[in-house]
Amino acid sequence: DTAVSQTPKYLVTQMGNDKSIKCEQNLGHDTMYWYKQDSKKFLKIMFSYNNKELIINETVPNRFSPKSPDKAHLNLHINSLELGDSAVYFCASSPGTTRGTGELFFGEGSRLTVL
Amino acid sequence: AQSVTQLGSHVSVSEGALVLLRCNYSSSVPPYLFWYVQYPNQGLQLLLKYTSAATLVKGINGFEAEFKKSETSFHLTKPSAHMSDAAEYFCAVSDTGGFKTIFGAGTRLFVKA
Repeated sequence: DTAVSQTPKYLVTQMGNDKSIKCEQNLGHDTMYWYKQDSKKFLKIMFSYNNKELIINETVPNRFSPKSPDKAHLNLHINSLELGDSAVYFCASSPGTTRGTGELFFGEGSRLTVL
Repeated sequence: AQSVTQLGSHVSVSEGALVLLRCNYSSSVPPYLFWYVQYPNQGLQLLLKYTSAATLVKGINGFEAEFKKSETSFHLTKPSAHMSDAAEYFCAVSDTGGFKTIFGAGTRLFVKA
């Protein structure tokens, strides 16, 4: 049973298109995240949701819109894709402040290539 | 604001040799500190974590790290490298709220036969 699963694993698309990445966790965690890993492997937090509520938005362009329909799911929709959006996007979850210490559980990543 | 600095983007060791990956942190509050490992084309996986209990923390696969407040360091070590240890290693710091984890730039470990 995969703890944090993301789909799709690979996306290749043209500039200007819109794409979505889905994430689900079956760990019963309260908090979910999107991280972006660039070509130099640098990891940067984008968003964090706690019990479906947005708590971190790290100055990400508003072309990126996360949605959390319930606390087990966090999706990422990207409008008007640009070349610079090419990266690996990781979903992660953690138990939450009352039950955890910030330990993150990661999905396998979704590699987005914008041509 | 919190930050993490990993010294050395690449480290190369021989199989059986000591592994030492360096990490220094900056935090205005008592931090939670982590080491994660990333194998090619995979997500990150927790190796070990420091949460203000013992300063010497043991993790999976024979790795350990020591929290030194006076040096603001949290270096990762393993007495004897194995070929399977070749991967990218990330040091990370989280505030006591636990919502925001900041990662270092990563250190790529190469293990030579």
